[in-house]
Amino acid sequence: KQEVTQIPAALSVPEGENLVLNCSFTDSAIYNLQWFRQDPGKGLTSLLLIQSSQREQTSGRLNASLDKSSGRSTLYIAASQPGDSATYLCAVNTSGTYKYIFGTGTRLKVLA
Amino acid sequence: DAGITQSPRHKVTETGTPVTLRCHQTENHRYMYWYRQDPGHGLRLIHYSYGVKDTDKGEVSDGYSVSRSKTEDFLLTLESATSSQTSVYFCAISEATGRGQPQHFGDGTRLSIL
Repeated sequence: KQEVTQIPAALSVPEGENLVLNCSFTDSAIYNLQWFRQDPGKGLTSLLLIQSSQREQTSGRLNASLDKSSGRSTLYIAASQPGDSATYLCAVNTSGTYKYIFGTGTRLKVLA
Repeated sequence: DAGITQSPRHKVTETGTPVTLRCHQTENHRYMYWYRQDPGHGLRLIHYSYGVKDTDKGEVSDGYSVSRSKTEDFLLTLESATSSQTSVYFCAISEATGRGQPQHFGDGTRLSIL
């Protein structure tokens, strides 16, 4: 059974710092992995999707990497801003299923 | 933003009453999903659909049923609501699964069962 873990659960950093969020999964047989952002009281916004054949994806200040063999993905945020404050979730689509399994998220606070 | 509308956005009801939540999409995507989000549990899949009249259970399907009679609408029904079903419910859609297409989410329905 696929399990997805995100550590730490919460993180506070000063503005301007580069930071890394972690996502671990137990079954390496995945189709893809998706990173989301969730603002309080809102739905999830898709940030990046990495296919199983890819090593990384980039969008602006965000870079997501995938290491299937070790069951890990990282989301790198460069030059963090207060507007980046939100909860970040990763989700894994395990091969052969229609289902996405979510981690419980990392709550990020960027201090001005 | 993907065209996904959830209704109602907020609902308070009593234990034992039936409740239906609606998800409407304008993207003509094949796949639709219902999740619930609870503190400490993250998002958990309730049911999903891979086409009109084609649905299957997720990991927390007990007490819930779904129907999809049209591509654009996916309904989630709580036949007899219980307090444990108090949660925030999210609908998601995907053009395809396992083929590089992302999931897109609605804004959620906050449901309180008293």
